Amino acid sequence: DAGVIQSPRHEVTEMGQEVTLRCKPISGHDYLFWYRQTMMRGLELLIYFNNNVPIDDSGMPEDRFSAKMPNASFSTLKIQPSEPRDSAVYFCASSYRVFGQFFGPGTRLTVL
Amino acid sequence: DAKTTQPPSMDCAEGRAANLPCNHSTISGNEYVYWYRQIHSQGPQYIIHGLKNNETNEMASLIITEDRKSSTLILPHATLRDTAVYYCIVRASGSSNTGKLIFGQGTTLQVKP
Repeated sequence: DAGVIQSPRHEVTEMGQEVTLRCKPISGHDYLFWYRQTMMRGLELLIYFNNNVPIDDSGMPEDRFSAKMPNASFSTLKIQPSEPRDSAVYFCASSYRVFGQFFGPGTRLTVL
Repeated sequence: DAKTTQPPSMDCAEGRAANLPCNHSTISGNEYVYWYRQIHSQGPQYIIHGLKNNETNEMASLIITEDRKSSTLILPHATLRDTAVYYCIVRASGSSNTGKLIFGQGTTLQVKP
């Protein structure tokens, strides 16, 4: 099993640009989670899906952030427009039911 | 979900057992104890979870006290590759399980040669 796949691994962009992060969960998993990690705030849950349906987006910072899961094998997290304070490592994780979550390698985002 | 308390850092000699404590005094009857770790520059990794019985897998053992107010994660023979931040998380099960994990600051374990 390839595990959770995220792309790109690194993204450098300028303030105001649109950023799209991608995630492919482990096949057969029915939950998908997006997290953000910074030194100041640690690891924060942004949003999670169950069977492709968003369940809790209370962690999404503001309207500039949006997430979609069009099918069971793909999800995106979009930031438009991006700001320097969005610089962080973004992790995607998936799980079967609500048991142990498996995390991807993360996308390191730098907004200049 | 119940709040957990962990020491911010610990050291362990290579080859010795690492015992990482976690306090969760407000844990409810339907809440599981989960342990994850995060090695530098990698995503968190699931280690083990339990409800009230002790659990063991290929990575570690989880010892939960009888009153469930605290637990200990044991790495029986720590190696340098076990150097990481270890997170103890409690989460509800069943219909009240939202699927959310709330990560605290964790314990930074430094395994020394």
